[in-house]
Amino acid sequence: EAGVAQSPRYKIIEKRQSVAFWCNPISGHATLYWYQQILGQGPKLLIQFQNNGVVDDSQLPKDRFSAERLKGVDSTLKIQPAKLEDSAVYLCASSLGPSGGAADTQYFGPGTRLTVL
Amino acid sequence: AQRVTQPEKLLSVFKGAPVELKCNYSYSGSPELFWYVQYSRQRLQLLLRHISRESIKGFTADLNKGETSFHLKKPFAQEEDSAMYYCALGGSNYKLTFGKGTLLTVNP
Repeated sequence: EAGVAQSPRYKIIEKRQSVAFWCNPISGHATLYWYQQILGQGPKLLIQFQNNGVVDDSQLPKDRFSAERLKGVDSTLKIQPAKLEDSAVYLCASSLGPSGGAADTQYFGPGTRLTVL
Repeated sequence: AQRVTQPEKLLSVFKGAPVELKCNYSYSGSPELFWYVQYSRQRLQLLLRHISRESIKGFTADLNKGETSFHLKKPFAQEEDSAMYYCALGGSNYKLTFGKGTLLTVNP
């Protein structure tokens, strides 16, 4: 079974530029998560989708971050404009669902390491 | 509010020694606790969850609601156990809250 795929693996941009990350979850997984992991911290949930609907985006900085999951499969996370403090690893995860409950095992992708200069 | 505290950023033990990675949580409801592990150059993956009450790779963890703890234990550490370990709390809002992690190094 193929795992969660993410691209790109690394990205370096200057502040105020925009950037987009892509995630392809495990086939059949209804729930998709985007996490931000700043160096020295644990992953922090940014947004959670169930199919193509948003379940939780309470920690997403909506003035600069946006995410979508069209057709309930792939997802993109965008930052525009980027700030220095956005430097982090962005992790995508998926779970079977359909409830997306906490007991549902989350499978993580390899992450995208973003550096904002 | 949900909060997870892992008091040790680094933990170093010798092969064959017992190891305990500490995790304390704060949550008003009925918690679900997990341990995730990330080996070098690998993805973050689930190690174990408290509701399963199972032993994975020799690791166990018991939920102590009185002390609000979920410490991870292994009686005899192996070099291949060296990794970053994260404790995570799942609340009724289905959101996972992770601790900052503990880097375990098992020396030969």
